Parts: sequence; C-alpha cells; structure tokens
Amino acid sequence: GAVVSQHPSRVICKSGTSVKIECRSLDFQATTMFWYRQFPKQSLMLMATSNEGSKATYEQGVEKDKFLINHASLTLSTLTVTSAHPEDSSFYICSARKDIDTEAFFGQGTRLTVV
Amino acid sequence: QKEVEQNSGPLSVPEGAIASLNCTYSDRGSQSFFWYRQYSGKSPELIMFIYSNGDKEDGRFTAQLNKASQYVSLLIRDSQPSDSATYLCAVIHGPTNAGKSTFGDGTTLTVKP
Repeated sequence: GAVVSQHPSRVICKSGTSVKIECRSLDFQATTMFWYRQFPKQSLMLMATSNEGSKATYEQGVEKDKFLINHASLTLSTLTVTSAHPEDSSFYICSARKDIDTEAFFGQGTRLTVV
Repeated sequence: QKEVEQNSGPLSVPEGAIASLNCTYSDRGSQSFFWYRQYSGKSPELIMFIYSNGDKEDGRFTAQLNKASQYVSLLIRDSQPSDSATYLCAVIHGPTNAGKSTFGDGTTLTVKP
C-alpha cells in the first residue's frame, strides 16, 4: 500500500502554545487529505477535509480558527493546534487519498499531550 | 440513522474460528467500500477494498458486498490472536456526495487462544 508519513508521533506542549503536525504522502500525490481526532476507546472523529490549494472543509463543531489546516501541495498537509489546552490532548491522525473514489491511507498518528 | 453502522461488539471468537464482521450503509449510491484494522493506540491500516457485488478474497480475509441489501461484510478465516483489533468499515458515497467518505464506529474483535 501507499505510504503516508505523519510527524511528530508524540508531542508534549505547554498550555497556550501552538503545535504543528505534518502529514506527507510519500509515494503518491494526494488530492485529498483528512484529519481525524480520536479519544481513547472512541471512534475516529473527522475534523476536516483538505483539498490541495483550497480551504479546508471543517466538520460541524470543529473550530477552524483553533485547528488551522494548510494543504499547500499534493504531498503535504499540516494541522496546527493553536493555543492548545489540556482538553485538546488526543490522538490526531491524518489520511490521504489519491483520487476521489479510492482508498485512503493513514499516517501513524500523533499523540498530543497538553500540560 | 447513521450513514455507516457496525455492531460495536465486542465480538469474541476462539482461535481458528471464522470471525464475521458486518456493516450496513444508508447511501444506496455508494461506490467503494473498505475495511480497516486498528490496533489499540495505533492508526488504522487498510485490509481490503471492494467495489463490485460478490466476494473478494485475500489470504485469510474475504470481503463480501451486496449493494441491493446495502451490506458489506468481512470474514476472517482461521482467526489468530493477532487479529484482535477494532475493524472499521468505510464507505465512499455516491455522485451526489462525490468524494465523501464515512467510517463506521468499528467492531472490536477478540480472538481467544
């Protein structure tokens, strides 16, 4: 399968600071990238869908000013958690898809802890 | 009604048995169907995809699709303890929702030695 690399895998930050998470498709061009959040023992929650060169589409209830998504190229999307608070601590996962009707491949995930 | 529904489980089967995981979807125009496996604390990994009615086999895994019944399943033969994980069903919707994909909440499978 295709490779999606997510970095960092773990990050601890202080409350009030910002954290950037990168998602790269290493061996294909991703027309669409997705960002999810997952709390322990809960299902994936889609945060936003990102198409290259256009603004991300956020799911209802997700603050776009807090979770900044940039999809500047066909191989890179970034999620910035701004002014992080302890309740933002979670497992953040990206996925990337080559075409509109094909499978998505997931990055390894980023475990964010805000202290 | 959820767009993609799965039994949450947990589903428990003995080692060597067949595990059957089920998924139903509401968008009749859905085109593509996927099964992912997620181990605890890890991100999902793709196991199977199926686009046409019928069965698709890959090793110990068989995906079955019935578009008339809006039903997709995953069979795991000769289940192993290492198959213990949460299995996610994902659907890409039809033309009116082009590109939209929806995940089920997952079924937790436990294979007991």
